[in-house]
Amino acid sequence: GESVGLHLPTLSVQEGDNSIINCAYSNSASDYFIWYKQESGKGPQFIIDIRSNMDKRQGQRVTVLLNKTVKHLSLQIAATQPGDSAVYFCAETSPYSSASKIIFGSGTRLSIRP
Amino acid sequence: KAGVTQTPRYLIKTRGQQVTLSCSPISGHRSVSWYQQTPGQGLQFLFEYFSETQRNKGNFPGRFSGRQFSNSRSEMNVSTLELGDSALYLCASSLYDSGRDEQFFGPGTRLTVL
Repeated sequence: GESVGLHLPTLSVQEGDNSIINCAYSNSASDYFIWYKQESGKGPQFIIDIRSNMDKRQGQRVTVLLNKTVKHLSLQIAATQPGDSAVYFCAETSPYSSASKIIFGSGTRLSIRP
Repeated sequence: KAGVTQTPRYLIKTRGQQVTLSCSPISGHRSVSWYQQTPGQGLQFLFEYFSETQRNKGNFPGRFSGRQFSNSRSEMNVSTLELGDSALYLCASSLYDSGRDEQFFGPGTRLTVL
């Protein structure tokens, strides 16, 4: 497969533990945020999103937390599995803005220890 | 339903050559966006097409161009290739509007310029 980024921050987690991936966003006017997962050799895949009128949103095994005061997002993955190995990155934009307005973060590589 | 497909998956060219990459969106999707992904810059927006019309263009030189056909398939072209054009080129399709509808990414075309 392909390596998306060779110099990304890496988070190593024991299988079964919870993972927390952090993201600092840049634009205080952004009010819509998305987390993507990118596995080796594949394109980014939508995981979960959150609007700025919320501070927490839960999906299946994933939770996104938003702290607008410090412009910080986190993605929590519960009971991390080998299939969670990937690069995760956040994106910021505004609702109903086009693709041209999306700002993508550089990503964090999550690796799972057996 | 088949996902977004991109061809070719890998391409090696030399400086000065030109290249054409192809993207077939999910059936029924009418919006196609293109991105360049590099380790240093992350994902950067190139352009977006809808109904054969370019809706938005990112901050790339005129050597980068694209088009969309009546069946929503899209191509992008890079002329006079430079070493810095080496990257993973991703396309994403959405139903009508990349700002309103979820984007689905293809696996990308890995371009290497020697």
